[in-house]
Amino acid sequence: EAGVAQSPRYKIIEKRQSVAFWCNPISGHATLYWYQQILGQGPKLLIQFQNNGVVDDSQLPKDRFSAERLKGVDSTLKIQPAKLEDSAVYLCASSLMITSSYEQYFGPGTRLTVT
Amino acid sequence: QKEVEQNSGPLSVPEGAIASLNCTYSDRVSQSFFWYRQYSGKSPELIMSIYSNGDKEDGRFTAQLNKASQYVSLLIRDSQPSDSATYLCAVKYTDKLIFGTGTRLQVFP
Repeated sequence: EAGVAQSPRYKIIEKRQSVAFWCNPISGHATLYWYQQILGQGPKLLIQFQNNGVVDDSQLPKDRFSAERLKGVDSTLKIQPAKLEDSAVYLCASSLMITSSYEQYFGPGTRLTVT
Repeated sequence: QKEVEQNSGPLSVPEGAIASLNCTYSDRVSQSFFWYRQYSGKSPELIMSIYSNGDKEDGRFTAQLNKASQYVSLLIRDSQPSDSATYLCAVKYTDKLIFGTGTRLQVFP
């Protein structure tokens, strides 16, 4: 079974530029998550989708971050404009369902450096 | 504010020893608990999940849960240098996973 796919793996941009990340979840997984992981910290949830609907985006900085999940499969996360503090690894994860016992599996992540 | 606390380490153990990693959480309502392993420069990898009080064993790994004390731990028996990584404790609150900052484990030969 193929895992969660993400691209690009690395991205370097200047502050105030825009960037987009792509995620393809494990086949059949209804729930998709975007996390931000800053060096030395645990992943922090940015947004979670159930199929193509947003379940929780309470920690998404909506003035600069946006995300969508078209047709309930692939998802993109965009940052516009980027700030220096956005330098982090952006992780996508998926699970079969959203309810408590379903386990989340992570993709390889995208390492973003903002200069 | 839901919190998950872990000692950042590093926890250093000799090869062959038992490594004990601990995690406490703030909300008694939590029902699901997970341990992820994260190698440097890699993404988190799920290694254990536990949902009820007691012990759950999988190979060299044992997860222990005590809901009354709001405490979950991970034991790694016969530790190997390849176990050297950061171990993240994650607790599910109303379908949202909250991670601790992780404990760095170093297994030396």
